[in-house]
Amino acid sequence: DSGVTQTPKHLITATGQRVTLRCSPRSGDLSVYWYQQSLDQGLQFLIQYYNGEERAKGNILERFSAQQFPDLHSELNLSSLELGDSALYFCASSLGGGMNTEAFFGQGTRLTVV
Amino acid sequence: SQQGEEDPQALSIQEGENATMNCSYKTSINNLQWYRQNSGRGLVHLILIRSNEREKHSGRLRVTLDTSKKSSSLLITASRAADTASYFCATVSGAGSYQLTFGKGTKLSVIP
Repeated sequence: DSGVTQTPKHLITATGQRVTLRCSPRSGDLSVYWYQQSLDQGLQFLIQYYNGEERAKGNILERFSAQQFPDLHSELNLSSLELGDSALYFCASSLGGGMNTEAFFGQGTRLTVV
Repeated sequence: SQQGEEDPQALSIQEGENATMNCSYKTSINNLQWYRQNSGRGLVHLILIRSNEREKHSGRLRVTLDTSKKSSSLLITASRAADTASYFCATVSGAGSYQLTFGKGTKLSVIP
């Protein structure tokens, strides 16, 4: 158990809908990261938050947004969903925002868009 | 976009044998990390090697890094059936951000 909790574990929704994925980082970790894993694109970095502030942005679509709250949990919002958004979405956390630390991953949310 | 490229894409060995996976990357890095993923589950951090390090050990794992060739290798010695998983290398580049750029992974099957 990594200590990172993601909910829900599975989500099935229709095209055009909006969903919210939730992540609780390990106790004490200030950084939260979101990754998308799909068969064709592999693991893609979406966005990083550090202590409530956006720190880095990757291949995140404009239809997607995220935030980190004062209690450090994070939410990833996906809107106007398309079939191609079906993927595993991972949240990870680390103690700091620096580079030489390991990240701890949650078990992921499997999103299926039908 | 992918930074690391693992080789081979799939590897099947007998229990007790050693498994070697390679990773090549394109740009200069701060560190390189290896992660394991059991089927459809979260990634587990295995080892981190900094750009000024050449070799690192952790239990049955040995990682090497050759920054001149922009490549790394992960060796798992005396493999077990429980080592069956996908293994990913991930690089961290640049200052001020912590973005792991993953390769596509090597799928390792250890046959009992």
